[in-house]
Order: sequence, then C-alpha cells, then structure tokens
Amino acid sequence: DGGITQSPKYLFRKEGQNVTLSCEQNLNHDAMYWYRQDPGQGLRLIYYSQIVNDFQKGDIAEGYSVSREKKESFPLTVTSAQKNPTAFYLCASTPQGLNSPLHFGNGTRLTVT
Amino acid sequence: QKEVEQDPGPLSVPEGAIVSLNCTYSNSAFQYFMWYRQYSRKGPELLMYTYSSGNKEDGRFTAQVDKSSKYISLFIRDSQPSDSATYLCAMSSPGGSEKLVFGKGTKLTVNP
Repeated sequence: DGGITQSPKYLFRKEGQNVTLSCEQNLNHDAMYWYRQDPGQGLRLIYYSQIVNDFQKGDIAEGYSVSREKKESFPLTVTSAQKNPTAFYLCASTPQGLNSPLHFGNGTRLTVT
Repeated sequence: QKEVEQDPGPLSVPEGAIVSLNCTYSNSAFQYFMWYRQYSRKGPELLMYTYSSGNKEDGRFTAQVDKSSKYISLFIRDSQPSDSATYLCAMSSPGGSEKLVFGKGTKLTVNP
C-alpha cells in the first residue's frame, strides 16, 4: 500500500530537549511538507521541500529544522528554541506539478512538558 | 479579513440529513479548491478537488464553487454516522502546493 508513514503516533518530551519526528513516503512524490495543527487554528506550514537536498521555510519555521537527504524521507526536528511545541504535526506530499492536492500522513502528537 | 473563513461549528445533524458546509474567501486569485475530511487523531484525507467555478459530484458528496461570491460549499446527502469528522476547506492560487491556505475546519456529528 502506498502512503505516508509518520512515527511515532504519540511523543512526549521534556522542555529543553530537541526531538525528531519521522516522515516516510513510498508514493514516489517529489514534494514533501510539514504542517502544524492546533485546536481552533487552520493548518500552518512549517517547511517544505520540492526536491532532494533542498527545502524552504514556511510560515512558522522558527524553532524547527528539516533535512531532505532522500526522496522518501523528510524528518522534522523540533528544537528547544520552539516556544510552544506541543501540537499535532502532519507530514504531506505531492507529486511534481503545480497545485496538486496534498496527501497526508496520520500525524504525530507531540507533548512537551 | 482572514483569507479563508470557515464556521467551526460544531454541527450536529440526524442520520439521513443533508449537510451543507461552507467557506468564504477574500483572495480573488484562488482557483483551486479542495475539501478534506479529518477523523479524530488522523490526518486529513482529500474528498473533493475542483478547479475554478462550478459543481463536482462524487457519490453522496457535491462540491460547489461560486467565484463571483468567493464562496465554496460541500454538500453531503443521506449523511451517515461515519461522516462524523472535521471538514477542512483549502484553496490556492496558481503556483506551488505550498501556497495552499486552509480553513480552520467544521466539526460535524451525524447522530444515528
């Protein structure tokens, strides 16, 4: 089955620790995205990558970092500089092409205490 | 004015009802319109994707786009308890998919 796998489903960390969220896709999609979802807010774009070894900041990149060393993988690191990291994080991908709809993974719920 | 406005609900209907979900937007450059369904603790899944104005039907679901009014709708006929979810509208102007703007979502409950 083709799809996007995010792991783990739930993640708990202490304040001040960096944490990395995994996102793997086997859809052969070129572009990958990270969104953050908070209650009562729309999805907000953190980072996106249209090609291997290249990525761009989204609307709320501060306190986050990414890498894109392989087409299939786009991990997100939530650093200690992120002031409010507790949220539901969603990874998505699209094939190459403008305005393609996003395919989402099932998310990682990060709780930082 | 926010780019995309969506009533968060919650909306509660009896099984079999016709459901109408709506979004308004302010950016006249938007040409691609999507509806996503999101179950609790899951990622959004694409329901409908339309370009420019008009209607699109898929089974019990109909998407309408009225660009003159900057208004989009999703209709669900013969609603089922399994339709209980949060529905997100999304839209973008021509360009990369990173330009997608989401509504905040409407939480729908269909009661048996």
